[in-house]
Amino acid sequence: GNSVTQMEGPVTLSEEAFLTINCTYTATGYPSLFWYVQYPGEGLQLLLKATKADDKGSNKGFEATYRKETTSFHLEKGSVQVSDSAVYFCALSDQGGSEKLVFGKGTKLTVNP
Amino acid sequence: KAGVTQTPRYLIKTRGQQVTLSCSPISGHRSVSWYQQTPGQGLQFLFEYFSETQRNKGNFPGRFSGRQFSNSRSEMNVSTLELGDSALYLCASSMAGTGINGELFFGEGSRLTVL
Repeated sequence: GNSVTQMEGPVTLSEEAFLTINCTYTATGYPSLFWYVQYPGEGLQLLLKATKADDKGSNKGFEATYRKETTSFHLEKGSVQVSDSAVYFCALSDQGGSEKLVFGKGTKLTVNP
Repeated sequence: KAGVTQTPRYLIKTRGQQVTLSCSPISGHRSVSWYQQTPGQGLQFLFEYFSETQRNKGNFPGRFSGRQFSNSRSEMNVSTLELGDSALYLCASSMAGTGINGELFFGEGSRLTVL
């Protein structure tokens, strides 16, 4: 079945550092890819998405590019802030006609001032 | 616009009991999905309902069940609780129900502790 593998962390960075969280996937067909973020005590919220190969999703300074050849969707941000501290989940849409998402295990990011 | 509301937020049960969790989706959203989140397994899909019909089901035992009402509100039930059922149960709603958009709106979850 479809699956997502992401670096598990935790990741600890200083403010203004560069962030990369790796995500690779295994899927049949051409799934859409997503990054969701979970701030402490909250539910998940969509950070960005890409629906086809070579698409770049971006939001709040975060970016990720759908790479079909490497089956990857790595999350990057050039300069992290303390407010970016959260758990980040990579996910893919499992099948058409359904809202089921397959999530990676999540990566906890802590940004220190 | 109100977000996804889950009740109760916290609950404690003992082994063998049953529990019902409730989810009110965002107004106008017809698809409701449920996920179980644990430290060891991460986020696992339980089931999805669309227009009162279960459209997809994850790999969970039959003790886990759900339903959706005509107003799109959903409930999930876990019978004969086991210690391993302790988790954060997340509900998510979406508008299109096509699986293409993929933007799920999550509630804050119901944290179940089984003693």
